[in-house]
Amino acid sequence: GQSLEQPSEVTAVEGAIVQINCTYQTSGFYGLSWYQQHDGGAPTFLSYNGLDGLEETGRFSSFLSRSDSYGYLLLQELQMKDSASYFCAVRDASKLSFGAGTTVTVRA
Amino acid sequence: NAGVTQTPKFRILKIGQSMTLQCAQDMNHNYMYWYRQDPGMGLKLIYYSVGAGITDKGEVPNGYNVSRSTTEYFPLRLELAAPSQTSVYFCASSYRGDVNQETQYFGPGTRLLVL
Repeated sequence: GQSLEQPSEVTAVEGAIVQINCTYQTSGFYGLSWYQQHDGGAPTFLSYNGLDGLEETGRFSSFLSRSDSYGYLLLQELQMKDSASYFCAVRDASKLSFGAGTTVTVRA
Repeated sequence: NAGVTQTPKFRILKIGQSMTLQCAQDMNHNYMYWYRQDPGMGLKLIYYSVGAGITDKGEVPNGYNVSRSTTEYFPLRLELAAPSQTSVYFCASSYRGDVNQETQYFGPGTRLLVL
């Protein structure tokens, strides 16, 4: 099976940088994904890492180290609209397994 | 494209009642999924399908059934509803080809309350 660990909450001010770590244990690993979910909404895809290294998409970046079973999501230049829950998810041969999520609260 | 659609948006059931949650996608995706999300928690996979006529259990399948007769539709059936099934249910779809990257597209969710 799979298990994922990520912090439950992070609070930061507008304009700051936040890093959300994710460690995982899995019996089969294809890649690490990140999803964003605003309160009351549906999850939406943010990024995917299949290989070691950094992937950058605008203000968001995601990193993966397969040897350490570790990844992170970096949120830069935080905006109020970034207040949401962020989930890491491990993909194996057939499905995604999601972590419990990190609630990011952005303060003015 | 409408993407992934789910009906109903909200439903109240009495204990022991049954219902079907509807899910449809118009993106010709081969994979479809059903998740439940309890308050403050992550998504738990209930069932998934890799194509029409093929379904498999996820992490929490007990009390649910699915069918997938066509690519577009993937209904979730609750038999004998219990309070423990109070949750938000999300349907998702994705296309899996030869590359490992997979983006799941989620429907807006169905909020179910069992009393």
